[in-house]
Amino acid sequence: DAKTTQPPSMDCAEGRAANLPCNHSTISGNEYVYWYRQIHSQGPQYIIHGLKNNETNEMASLIITEDRKSSTLILPHATLRDTAVYYCIVRSGGSNYKLTFGKGTLLTVNP
Amino acid sequence: DAGVIQSPRHEVTEMGQEVTLRCKPISGHDYLFWYRQTMMRGLELLIYFNNNVPIDDSGMPEDRFSAKMPNASFSTLKIQPSEPRDSAVYFCASRTRNEQFFGPGTRLTVL
Repeated sequence: DAKTTQPPSMDCAEGRAANLPCNHSTISGNEYVYWYRQIHSQGPQYIIHGLKNNETNEMASLIITEDRKSSTLILPHATLRDTAVYYCIVRSGGSNYKLTFGKGTLLTVNP
Repeated sequence: DAGVIQSPRHEVTEMGQEVTLRCKPISGHDYLFWYRQTMMRGLELLIYFNNNVPIDDSGMPEDRFSAKMPNASFSTLKIQPSEPRDSAVYFCASRTRNEQFFGPGTRLTVL
C-alpha cells in the first residue's frame, strides 16, 4: 500500500471548517483513500473513503486531487468533539482489507 | 446493535501470566481484526480473520501470541507468557463493506 504523509498537528476554531491534508504521491490506480479518526481513549472511527471522485457524507467531505497524489478531509463546521487524531490511509482494492495506520494528524478544535 | 464488544476493558497482570482478551464482533460481519496500540509503535494490525479463518497473521509479534475464532460471534487473543513490553491497548474490529468498526479496546498492563 502507498505511504501517506500528514502534518502532525493542526488547530481549528470551533464552528470553522477544518481542512486536513494528506499526501499519497505513490498511490496506484486501484488504491482507495480512507480516513479514520480516533478520539482520546476510544477505538478508531471510520469517516469516509474515496477512489477518484470527491465524496461527501454526514460527517465530512473528501476532496481528491485529479492526479490522486493528495487529498483533503474537510469537516465543515468543527466542534470541540471533533478534537481527535485523524488518520489518512491508502488501501488496495480487492480482498485485502488490511489498514495500515500511520501517525495521523492531531486536530485540536479550540473554543 | 451494541457494536463490537471487548472484555475485559482493563487487565493488570504480572509477567509470566497468561492473558486472554475477548471480542464479540458485530453480528453479520465476516471479517475480524486484532490491533495493538502503543505510544512507540502506534496502531498495528496483528491478525485478521475472514469467515472465522485466519487470513494474515504476519503482524503477530511472536509465538507467545495466538488468536482464535471458533465461531462467527467470538474471538480470543491470548498471550502466554506475558511480558511487560506487551503492555498496550488491544483493539478488536469487525468489518462490513467499506468500514471497520472498532471496539472500545482492552488496556493491558503487564507488571
